[in-house]
Amino acid sequence: ELKVEQNPLFLSMQEGKNYTIYCNYSTTSDRLYWYRQDPGKSLESLFVLLSNGAVKQEGRLMASLDTKARLSTLHITAAVHDLSATYFCAVVTETSGSRLTFGEGTQLTVNP
Amino acid sequence: DAGITQSPRHKVTETGTPVTLRCHQTENHRYMYWYRQDPGHGLRLIHYSYGVKDTDKGEVSDGYSVSRSKTEDFLLTLESATSSQTSVYFCAIRGLGSNYGYTFGSGTRLTVV
Repeated sequence: ELKVEQNPLFLSMQEGKNYTIYCNYSTTSDRLYWYRQDPGKSLESLFVLLSNGAVKQEGRLMASLDTKARLSTLHITAAVHDLSATYFCAVVTETSGSRLTFGEGTQLTVNP
Repeated sequence: DAGITQSPRHKVTETGTPVTLRCHQTENHRYMYWYRQDPGHGLRLIHYSYGVKDTDKGEVSDGYSVSRSKTEDFLLTLESATSSQTSVYFCAIRGLGSNYGYTFGSGTRLTVV
């Protein structure tokens, strides 16, 4: 059974600081996704990572994937208040009907 | 979101009553999913469909059934609602192309009293 673990689950940081969210998964995966969710809203796709060593960047967020370590990271650079949200990683295996298995989510609060 | 709508957006129902949630897509995608979201659990898969009349269980399927009689509609039914089914329910569709992106609906907030 595929398990996905994120840490930390709660992150409070100051504007301008850097931090990393970690996502570990238990079995071989075909793709890894990062999503953002604002309170009361749906999930917004941030990144999809397809292969070992993949790195994607959008603004102050950068995601990477190490398939050998079964680890993905979401790095936040010079955080701003607008990045406050809950971030989820999700992993999919084609052998399981392309089902997404989610981590618990990391609730990020960026303080002025 | 464009291409996928959920209804209703909010519902309050009594314990023991049947409830049906609807997910409608205009993208003609084959794969559709129902998830529930609860604090401390992220999103958990209830059921999914890989085509008309082709469905399978997810990790938290007890107390739920689904139907897909048309490509565009995926229905989730709580046969006899319980308080433990109070949750936010999200439908998702899997897109095409190399990224196989997943698009989520706006969610249905269900309260069972």
